[in-house]
Amino acid sequence: RKEVEQDPGPFNVPEGATVAFNCTYSNSASQSFFWYRQDCRKEPKLLMSVYSSGNEDGRFTAQLNRASQYISLLIRDSKLSDSATYLCVVRKGSARQLTFGSGTQLTVLP
Amino acid sequence: NAGVTQTPKFRILKIGQSMTLQCAQDMNHNYMYWYRQDPGMGLKLIYYSVGAGITDKGEVPNGYNVSRSTTEDFPLRLELAAPSQTSVYFCASINGGQDPGETQYFGPGTRLLVL
Repeated sequence: RKEVEQDPGPFNVPEGATVAFNCTYSNSASQSFFWYRQDCRKEPKLLMSVYSSGNEDGRFTAQLNRASQYISLLIRDSKLSDSATYLCVVRKGSARQLTFGSGTQLTVLP
Repeated sequence: NAGVTQTPKFRILKIGQSMTLQCAQDMNHNYMYWYRQDPGMGLKLIYYSVGAGITDKGEVPNGYNVSRSTTEDFPLRLELAAPSQTSVYFCASINGGQDPGETQYFGPGTRLLVL
C-alpha cells in the first residue's frame, strides 16, 4: 500500500465548477500536511498547508481528519488557471521528509 | 535571493556515463533534499541532508551519491547511468524551524535522459 494515495483522476470540469480531491495517508506518525500544485514540466509549489481545524484560502478549502487519516481539497468557482496537477503531501521525521502522492490532474474547460 | 537553483536544466547521458547534478540555495537553509519524479508519478526522496557533512538515504538511493561540504551546495552524483534513471530531478531546501507549516522550496528541476 502506498503511503499517500490520491484520487486517480484526471478531472475535467467546466469553468465555475466545484471540484473536490481526496487523499489518504497510512503513516499515523505523519506530522504536517500540504497540498502542492504542479504545472506541466515545472517544480511543485505549495498551494496550502492543511490543519485539523480546516483552512481556507480564497476559493480553496482544505480539511484534515487525523482519525481517518484523510485529507481533502475543495476548489470552488474553478478557473482556467487552476488547470494543473495537485499533489497531496505529508511530512514526517526529524529531517522533515516529504512523501508525495501520485497527483491528480485537473483540467478546467472553457 | 535566487532561492534554489539547479544545473543543468537538461542532459542526455549514455548508459554507463557519470554526471553530477548541481543544486545550490542562498537562503541559508539547513536541510536539503533530492527527489526524482517519473512520468505520471509523485516525487520520491533519493537523499537528504540536515546540515553540512551530514547526509542520509531516502526511499530510492540506489545508483546515487551525495555530499554536503557547505550549507549552500548539495550535489547529486550518478556514477553509472542506467535507463531507469531517466527522470526529472528536483532539489529542495527548508530552514528546519519549529513551524509545522514550514515547507520545502523547490528548484526548477533537471531533466535527465539516459540512452
